[in-house]
Amino acid sequence: GIQVEQSPPDLILQEGANSTLRCNFSDSVNNLQWFHQNPWGQLINLFYIPSGTKQNGRLSATTVATERYSLLYISSSQTTDSGVYFCAVLMDSNYQLIWGAGTKLIIKP
Amino acid sequence: DSGVTQTPKHLITATGQRVTLRCSPRSGDLSVYWYQQSLDQGLQFLIQYYNGEERAKGNILERFSAQQFPDLHSELNLSSLELGDSALYFCASSVAGGSSGEQFFGPGTRLTVL
Repeated sequence: GIQVEQSPPDLILQEGANSTLRCNFSDSVNNLQWFHQNPWGQLINLFYIPSGTKQNGRLSATTVATERYSLLYISSSQTTDSGVYFCAVLMDSNYQLIWGAGTKLIIKP
Repeated sequence: DSGVTQTPKHLITATGQRVTLRCSPRSGDLSVYWYQQSLDQGLQFLIQYYNGEERAKGNILERFSAQQFPDLHSELNLSSLELGDSALYFCASSVAGGSSGEQFFGPGTRLTVL
């Protein structure tokens, strides 16, 4: 089945820093989503981005479907950005999201 | 707030018991998905319903079952509970049931089996 790999697994930054999180996937996908799981366990939709580039405030994402990767950019990090960031993909042949292992981000004040 | 609601937020029960988790999708969404997040297995897809019909099945144990009702809310039933069933259970919904729609997640139900 499709493999989804996220890097780095852990990231510790000072408030105000910028970061880039990467998601590689091993097959063509119809759907790619980025989520933030906050310390309380809630999964928050960040981007639905099967291809192209999107921006939402300090966050932006780019998916290059032909090269099978997606990047999530976080600029001017705040402590509230801490948590785990997941990439999840969905193939044409089924309807389930396949999840990466996540990147755990800690933003220090 | 995604618009997907789940109840209860927390559930503590004993091994061997049976529990029911409830999910209401976003208004207008026909598809409901259930996912399990455990410490050792990460996030895994359990099952999907579309407009009342089972559409896809993932790694769902035989002790677990689900259904989607005519008002589109869904219930996940977990029986003969084991310690390893302790996890966060998420419900998600999407407008359609295909492979290109964005899925929106509820706040989850945290199940603890003692």
